[in-house]
Amino acid sequence: AQSVTQLDSQVPVFEEAPVELRCNYSSSVSVYLFWYVQYPNQGLQLLLKYLSGSTLVKGINGFEAEFNKSQTSFHLRKPSVHISDTAEYFCAVSEYNFNKFYFGSGTKLNVKP
Amino acid sequence: DVKVTQSSRYLVKRTGEKVFLECVQDMDHENMFWYRQDPGLGLRLIYFSYDVKMKEKGDIPEGYSVSREKKERFSLILESASTNQTSMYLCASSQTGQGNTIYFGEGSWLTVV
Repeated sequence: AQSVTQLDSQVPVFEEAPVELRCNYSSSVSVYLFWYVQYPNQGLQLLLKYLSGSTLVKGINGFEAEFNKSQTSFHLRKPSVHISDTAEYFCAVSEYNFNKFYFGSGTKLNVKP
Repeated sequence: DVKVTQSSRYLVKRTGEKVFLECVQDMDHENMFWYRQDPGLGLRLIYFSYDVKMKEKGDIPEGYSVSREKKERFSLILESASTNQTSMYLCASSQTGQGNTIYFGEGSWLTVV
């Protein structure tokens, strides 16, 4: 089974500052990679996903992520955050030919004015 | 627009009660999932189903069962609720196929007293 590690449980940042949320996964087999966002009292929404091709993936709300196969990482970035980005962010992995998804423990992004 | 609907947002049940959590998706997806979300633990898979009447245990199936009699509906059953099952429960669905997105419902907050 896959293991997904989100190294930071909480990330405080000031508005308009850049942010990076880190994600590492365990498997060396081919995988699909996802970032989801969860706003308070809501379900998870897809931010972006990597399937193949360019290692830099752009998502909604100005977020992007870079797939690094050698480091088995898929870090999420935004150059300038807003108060409205305050939420919990989950990294997820699914393997080729399997329908299961494995999620990290989540990173709470707290954007301060 | 894709939709996964969980019938109850907030429930309070007594220890020992039988609890049903219902989930319906309108996207004709083959796969449906039940996750449990607890602070610091992320999302943990309880059960998933890849077809009608088919089910597979996830990482934490103990104390739970599921039912999928129709493609669009996936029920989670707590045969005898206990206080350690107080949690947020998330239903999700996905299409079979490589790299398909998993879509989530809004979640059901269950408190067992």
